[in-house]
Amino acid sequence: DQQVKQNSPSLSVQEGRISILNCDYTNSMFDYFLWYKKYPAEGPTFLISISSIKDKNEDGRFTVFLNKSAKHLSLHIVPSQPGDSAVYFCAASATDFNKFYFGSGTKLNVKP
Amino acid sequence: DAGVTQSPTHLIKTRGQQVTLRCSPISGHKSVSWYQQVLGQGPQFIFQYYEKEERGRGNFPDRFSARQFPNYSSELNVNALLLGDSALYLCASRYRDYNSPLHFGNGTRLTVT
Repeated sequence: DQQVKQNSPSLSVQEGRISILNCDYTNSMFDYFLWYKKYPAEGPTFLISISSIKDKNEDGRFTVFLNKSAKHLSLHIVPSQPGDSAVYFCAASATDFNKFYFGSGTKLNVKP
Repeated sequence: DAGVTQSPTHLIKTRGQQVTLRCSPISGHKSVSWYQQVLGQGPQFIFQYYEKEERGRGNFPDRFSARQFPNYSSELNVNALLLGDSALYLCASRYRDYNSPLHFGNGTRLTVT
């Protein structure tokens, strides 16, 4: 069962504009969420996290928003840069879980 | 500080063989997890170890096993390899077991022919 879904396999954005990547989840027990960036031939790199007690977390150009009632989170990248071109994964877990559930990824292409 | 290191980076095996993958966590991290990633999908959980004890196991057959050593490094073993075991195997370490992100290594690319 796919408890975390990323419904957009790809996204293309112009350099300097905002990139918005979306993620939906089904398990209401999830209380900790992560975003990762992955380049080819490398492991996923941690970007930003958010716990369920918050609805927003910022780190530089990256902001994650959490809408618990809609079971939806999003990652905003502003401004987008060509080096941001990669596959982005969202992941979710709960305090009593020993594992993370990952979405299938969204490939972001930032055009110069 | 060194990140999570995995060896080997690439491996080619024949069906029916056995393979051992190795992982060293970030210094100070006592939790190690293993994930399998196939093309077009997100990582899928295989095992989690904390302080040398298995804390979780994903939906993988008994051909998959793992262990964690006193220095917190870990090995993933897969017996009787199948073509479908071809994937990127990722190791991740974590500072604590809650509200703490996974930090991944670059993975071992296993190809089964």
